[in-house]
Formats: sequence, C-alpha cells, structure tokens
Amino acid sequence: QSVLTQPPSVSGAPGQRVTISCTGSSSNVGAGYDVHWYQHLPETAPKLLIYGNINRPSGVPDRFSGSKSGTSASLAITGLQPEDEAVYYCQSYDSSLSAVVFGGGTKLTVL
Amino acid sequence: EVQLVESGGGLVKPGGSLRLSCAASGFTFRNAWMSWVRQTPGKGLEWVGRIKSRDDGGTTDHAAPVQGRFTISRDDSKDTLFLQMDSLKTEDTGVYYCATCNNTKYYMDVWGKGITVTVSS
Repeated sequence: QSVLTQPPSVSGAPGQRVTISCTGSSSNVGAGYDVHWYQHLPETAPKLLIYGNINRPSGVPDRFSGSKSGTSASLAITGLQPEDEAVYYCQSYDSSLSAVVFGGGTKLTVL
Repeated sequence: EVQLVESGGGLVKPGGSLRLSCAASGFTFRNAWMSWVRQTPGKGLEWVGRIKSRDDGGTTDHAAPVQGRFTISRDDSKDTLFLQMDSLKTEDTGVYYCATCNNTKYYMDVWGKGITVTVSS
C-alpha cells in the first residue's frame, strides 16, 4: 500500500487528453510538500516530468502539465502520442515518515 | 553531459552483502545531494535513502525497510556514491537507481540507468 494513491491504469486514444490523480494526506501533499511526476519506460531510467507541482524541466513538452489542490495532485497529458505509453509516478515528502514517498504508479495505455 | 552510472549489482544469498557504486560525471558532485531509489519486482518505485552534500552536513536518511541494514556514503574525491547493503533479504531484489536529489523540494532530477540486485538462495 503506497502512501500516495494513484489509479493503476488509464488509457486514451491518440490525440486525446488524459489525467492521472495522486491522492495523499495531511502529512505529505496536504502539509504543503510539493508533488513531482516521473515517466518510466521499461528498461530505462525514470525521467523527471514535472517538479514543484507545475514546473516542467527543459525538454519536456508542454503537453504535460501538473496541478495540485489540497491533499491531491494531477498530471494531465494532452494530444496523446504512442510514445507516451509508460508508467507514471507521483512523488512527495512525508513528514510523519520523514521520508520521500512515491505513488504506486499508473500505467498509461495509448489505444 | 550529466551522467550517473551504477555498478556492483549481482546475485547474492539471503543474509549476504553487496556494495553498489554510482559514478558521477558532468556536474559538481561534491555539491549534490544524492539518493538511491529501487524498483522491486511487480512493484513501483521505492525511495531507499539520501545523503546530503558535505557542506550541508553530509548526513544520511534511510527508508524504514532498509534502516540498520543499508548504508549510503560518498567519496567526493572520486565523484562516487555508494550503497552498502547488508543482511539482504529476498524482498530487496530489484533494480537500484542512483539519482541527484534537489535539496529543498526533494525531487530526483537526474537518474542512472539502474543496476540489478538479485537476492536468492
């Protein structure tokens, strides 16, 4: 059971928009700690996609966007492309655990 | 180019030890906070621990499942990060990644390709 809760899977057709939710609690997301998102393709290193809730590192397309409200955060992907098929993880910090925490990951399937 | 390359993985019996290394290049390693993250079979990413830069105290934090068994250290003269893993359990099997760690927001921005550790009799 992960500290941050994500749906196990989402799917969408090419060109569509999908969102991935990340629900935390008062000791992590709700306590004001930032949420970050990673894209993980098989047999590759995870890639930072969004940091500080809404910021994109250089090179990440603006099709990817993040938001945060209360104890939850979301990752939105617009204009879905086949190469977006991957597992997406949210991450934050938990003050009760004094630890970095990840969501369980969401498998995105591009139909 | 910023690069992290892990080494030292392999097969080890339960109760055994293994030492992972992570060679850094392309950035000022001594100023960086560094983390280890793992992915165990069938599961997602799991934070293993973090070490601060020497200037920020050089202290370490380890996740509860590995506390007392794993130790993170660094050799700034060799731009290398280490993960000493003792009393290994089968559930420690997985791919281990080293990553740079932002010192205020706790995100990992540069990752190595990972190294496989298998704990099995």
